[in-house]
Amino acid sequence: QLVLTQSPSASASLGASVKLTCTLTSGHSNYAIAWHQQQPEKGPRYLMRLNSDGSHIKGDGIPDRFSGSSSGAERYLTISSLQSEDEADYYCQTWGTGIHVVFGGGTKLTVL
Amino acid sequence: EVQLVESGGGLVQPGRSLRLSCAVSGFTFDDYAMNWVRQAPGKGLEWVSGINWNSGMIGYADSVKGRFTISRDNAKKSLYLQMNSLRDEDTAFYYCAKGGGGGYSYLIDYWGQGTLVTVSS
Repeated sequence: QLVLTQSPSASASLGASVKLTCTLTSGHSNYAIAWHQQQPEKGPRYLMRLNSDGSHIKGDGIPDRFSGSSSGAERYLTISSLQSEDEADYYCQTWGTGIHVVFGGGTKLTVL
Repeated sequence: EVQLVESGGGLVQPGRSLRLSCAVSGFTFDDYAMNWVRQAPGKGLEWVSGINWNSGMIGYADSVKGRFTISRDNAKKSLYLQMNSLRDEDTAFYYCAKGGGGGYSYLIDYWGQGTLVTVSS
C-alpha cells in the first residue's frame, strides 16, 4: 500500500536552513512527489515536483531558497535562509495505480 | 494566469446534498486531470476524488465512495462534485486542484482558494 510518511513537526532558527523528509513505502521508491506549503489560515500552495533522481521543477514564484532532493525512498525539501513566512505546514503528495492520490500527514514547521 | 475558483459551499443538514463547482481559466482545461481535496478543521489534507481529462478514469477515496460523484464539463471549463448523504465528518474546506499533466497527471500543481462545507443540524 502506497503511504507517505512525514515527521509531525520541525523547527529551525530564523536565517538557518531546514530539511524536511517525506518517505515512500517500500516498493515505491521510484515515485515522483509534489511538495505543498500551507501557511496559517490559507489554502495550500504548490512548491515543486520532485523526481526520484532529485530533479525538480518549482511552481510559479517559488523562491530559490526552496529546493528538493531525493535518496532512495526519501524525498527532501530544503528551505534555506529561513524567514518568518516560511512557518507553515508542509505536505508531500503522490499518486498510485489508477487514480489513488496520497498525501503525507504533513510537517508543521516552526521558525524560532 | 491559472485560476481555480470554487463555489457552492455552505451549511447543510446531515443526510442532505450539495453540489460544488470549480471554474477554471488560464490553461487548456481538457488537457489535464483534476481533483477535489478536502481539509477538516485542524486536520491534514485528504484527497476526495480525481478525474482524468475525458472523464474516462475516475477515482474516489473510500470515505466518500458511493456518496460523492465527480464530473467535468470541458466546454464550460468546469469541475463538479455532487455530494449526497452528507455526514458531520464531511465538514471541511474543499479545494479544487489541477493535475500536472504528462507523466505527472495526478501531481497537483495548482490549487483553488477553497469553499467551506459545514454539515450540521
